[in-house]
Amino acid sequence: AQSVTQLGSHVSVSEGALVLLRCNYSSSVPPYLFWYVQYPNQGLQLLLKYTTGATLVKGINGFEAEFKKSETSFHLTKPSAHMSDAAEYFCAVSESGGYQKVTFGIGTKLQVIP
Amino acid sequence: GAVVSQHPSRVICKSGTSVKIECRSLDFQATTMFWYRQFPKQSLMLMATSNEGSKATYEQGVEKDKFLINHASLTLSTLTVTSAHPEDSSFYICSARDPDRLANEKLFFGSGTQLSVL
Repeated sequence: AQSVTQLGSHVSVSEGALVLLRCNYSSSVPPYLFWYVQYPNQGLQLLLKYTTGATLVKGINGFEAEFKKSETSFHLTKPSAHMSDAAEYFCAVSESGGYQKVTFGIGTKLQVIP
Repeated sequence: GAVVSQHPSRVICKSGTSVKIECRSLDFQATTMFWYRQFPKQSLMLMATSNEGSKATYEQGVEKDKFLINHASLTLSTLTVTSAHPEDSSFYICSARDPDRLANEKLFFGSGTQLSVL
C-alpha cells in the first residue's frame, strides 16, 4: 500500500524567504511522486513530478523537489517566496505511474506574509 | 492548457434529497474520470474510477448505490449523491485523464464541489 505524509497543514513564510514544504511517502515499489498546487477557486494543477532518472526535479514557478529514496522524502522548495505562491499544495504518490490510483497527502496551506 | 469544469462549486441541501455534481472536460475527450472526496483535515480519497460507456469501479468502502456515477459521454461524468445525509457533507473533486497528453501530465482536476447536507 502507498501513503503520503505532509508535515504541517499550514506553513507561513515571509515574502522573499525560503519555502520548504515537507512530504514523506511509503510505497512497496519504486514510486512516482507528484506535487500539485491549488489556488483559491481553481482545480489542482501539476507543479512537478518525479518518475525515474534525475532525483532533483524542477517545476513551474521556480519550485523544485528532490527525491531522496533513503529518507523516503520528496520535499518541495522554492528559494524566494512570492505573494502569488499562496495556495494549497498537495503531495501525491502513485505506484502504477499511469494515474490509475494516486494517493494524496492532506495538503499544506502556504501563507506568504508581505 | 486542458480545463476540467466542475459544477456546482457549492451546494446546500436537505437531508434525504439527491444532489448531482457534473464534471466536464472542456477541450479534450476524457476516456477516464476519477472522483475524490476530501473530509476536513484529511487527504483526498479516491472514491471511484469512471470509464466512458461502462460501469464505474468503486474503491473499497464506497457505496455504489449511494454514489451513482454516470459517464455517458467522453466529456461528461456525473456523480449523484442519493438520499444525502449530514455525514455525506464533504468536498468532492473530479479529475479527467487526457489520453493525448504525455504519460505523466494526463490528469486534470476540477475545482471541486463543497456539499453541505443539513
